[in-house]
Amino acid sequence: AQSVTQLGSHVSVSEGALVLLRCNYSSSVPPYLFWYVQYPNQGLQLLLKYTTGATLVKGINGFEAEFKKSETSFHLTKPSAHMSDAAEYFCAVSPSYNFNKFYFGSGTKLNVKP
Amino acid sequence: DTGVSQNPRHKITKRGQNVTFRCDPISEHNRLYWYRQTLGQGPEFLTYFQNEAQLEKSRLLSDRFSAERPKGSFSTLEIQRTEQGDSAMYLCASSGPRDRDSRTEAFFGQGTRLTVV
Repeated sequence: AQSVTQLGSHVSVSEGALVLLRCNYSSSVPPYLFWYVQYPNQGLQLLLKYTTGATLVKGINGFEAEFKKSETSFHLTKPSAHMSDAAEYFCAVSPSYNFNKFYFGSGTKLNVKP
Repeated sequence: DTGVSQNPRHKITKRGQNVTFRCDPISEHNRLYWYRQTLGQGPEFLTYFQNEAQLEKSRLLSDRFSAERPKGSFSTLEIQRTEQGDSAMYLCASSGPRDRDSRTEAFFGQGTRLTVV
């Protein structure tokens, strides 16, 4: 079975500060891991994904995430927050044998203060 | 490539009525998915098509829900005898066979927000 836990439903940072959004997963098979961003009344946009290979994954808009198998984590970071980063972020896992099916976390709303 | 298109964007219906949503995937994509997102939650998987074949359905998809993808192009999701608990955002996503890596990326539409009153 696959599941995702996102710690912190709301995270608030100052503009220019480090962004850290936490994601832990559970998977009975090697997972594929994703971070999606959702702006109000919009669909989901892929930020980055881990499938195989390098465990540090770089995505769009300066975001990156590191797959840590021993910790079953896939935390999302960005060195310096921008006002435009304010949105809701979803971590998702899919089993590598069936990458069509995503299991999403409940999301983290990021607020960026000026 | 205009992305995944969903219509309508918003739908308000009375309890007990039937509603139908449409999803037009990215043209060369052969996989299409439906998800449901309720307020404050992440999307939940409903069903998945590969071409015209519906290969998997979640237990969330009760008998009142039906999805089709005739000819492997657009898809429709119908909810019969709507209930207030059906109020949610219904998201469609598609992915394609360009190469193995592309198949891991699903592109989402903007969703259809259903309100049952």
